Parts: sequence; structure tokens; C-alpha cells
Amino acid sequence: DAGVTQSPTHLIKTRGQQVTLRCSPKSGHDTVSWYQQALGQGPQFIFQYYEEEERQRGNFPDRFSGHQFPNYSSELNVNALLLGDSALYLCASSQTGADYGYTFGSGTRLTVV
Amino acid sequence: AQTVTQSQPEMSVQEAETVTLSCTYDTSENNYYLFWYKQPPSRQMILVIRQEAYKQQNATENRFSVNFQKAAKSFSLKISDSQLGDTAMYFCAFTNNAGNMLTFGGGTRLMVKP
Repeated sequence: DAGVTQSPTHLIKTRGQQVTLRCSPKSGHDTVSWYQQALGQGPQFIFQYYEEEERQRGNFPDRFSGHQFPNYSSELNVNALLLGDSALYLCASSQTGADYGYTFGSGTRLTVV
Repeated sequence: AQTVTQSQPEMSVQEAETVTLSCTYDTSENNYYLFWYKQPPSRQMILVIRQEAYKQQNATENRFSVNFQKAAKSFSLKISDSQLGDTAMYFCAFTNNAGNMLTFGGGTRLMVKP
């Protein structure tokens, strides 16, 4: 049973560019959440997608956007990259109505230069 | 808004001994869930243990147990018989009854020494 898969594992982008990160949820899960984890800090909630819609959003600017596809996979897009966007981006999937069994991927390490 | 605080940035313990990691939180909600996650160098967050606020009994998972003090808003993790593989970052996290987001603490780096 595959867990949460994220791609790519590492990425280097230039300031001002745009980036797309991808996440495939655990089999049987229908909800995907994205978190940003700066070096040495705890993860910060970006947003959650369910039924292809953004269900809740954290305190992140509109440069951060997402999408969920009919197969429940998800993308995180970040426009106009800033140096401060350098972080580990974690995807977590869960099953709505279940007992909050979040499963995390291994993340995408984004470096903005 | 909920906040989660971990006051111990780093801790160390000798192999086979017991260590306790502290966590406090702030919320106005009555029903919620608390978690301890482990993040090894592989970066994946792994669920260690979960506590439902309406359950008075402290959760236990093998060598891991919690001391949940609802009135004090405290949620500490006890690791018994520490093993080298327990070396990792440990994060305390909170979610409300809707379960739409996790709020994490800043983490505690635990090193188990041989």
C-alpha cells in the first residue's frame, strides 16, 4: 500500500520564478493538506483541499495556490518566488470522517537562490 | 487561534533510559486532538501517538505514553527504554474537531546516546 508520494524531492529555483510541487495521497485518502517547514522550525499550514476545492487556508499570501484533481492528487504552486520561500514543503493526506489519521510524505526541499 | 509551545529545543538521553518531552497548548475549544510526531533525517513525519481530549485516559503505544493534563493544557511525551532509533525531531501538534489543519510546536531535537 503506497503512502504519500511527493515530487520532486529537491528543487532549486531563481528568485521571481514559479514552481509547481506535486503530491499523490495514500490509497483510500481523499483530502490533501500542504505545509511549509522552514529550517529548524515546525511545519506551518498552507491549505487543505477536499473534493477539488480549497477547504481551509492558513496565513499565506495569494502567491501560494493549489489544485486537487479528480484522482485526489494535488499540486502546490508558488509564484514570484522569494528567498524566504526556501523550505521543506510537506504534503499530508487523510480520509474525511476518519479519525484524523494524517499520513505525511517525505517532502520537497525547495531552495530559492 | 490555537498555539502549541515546546519549551525544550534539544534533549539527550542515554540508551535504555526514560525521557520526557514537554508540550503546552492554548485553545478555547473543548473537543480537540493532540499528537506527537517524529521526524527523522528522512524528513517524513511519523505519527507516534494521539490523544483525544474527551478521553481522560492517557494514550499509550508500546514504549511511548503521554501525560495529558487538560486543565493545565499540557501534553507531555514519555519515551521509555530509549533506543538509538528514537533519535529525531519530535513535534507536538493540535487539531480541532473539524480536523482541517494541524498546528505544530517548534519541535524538540532528541538525541539518544549509546
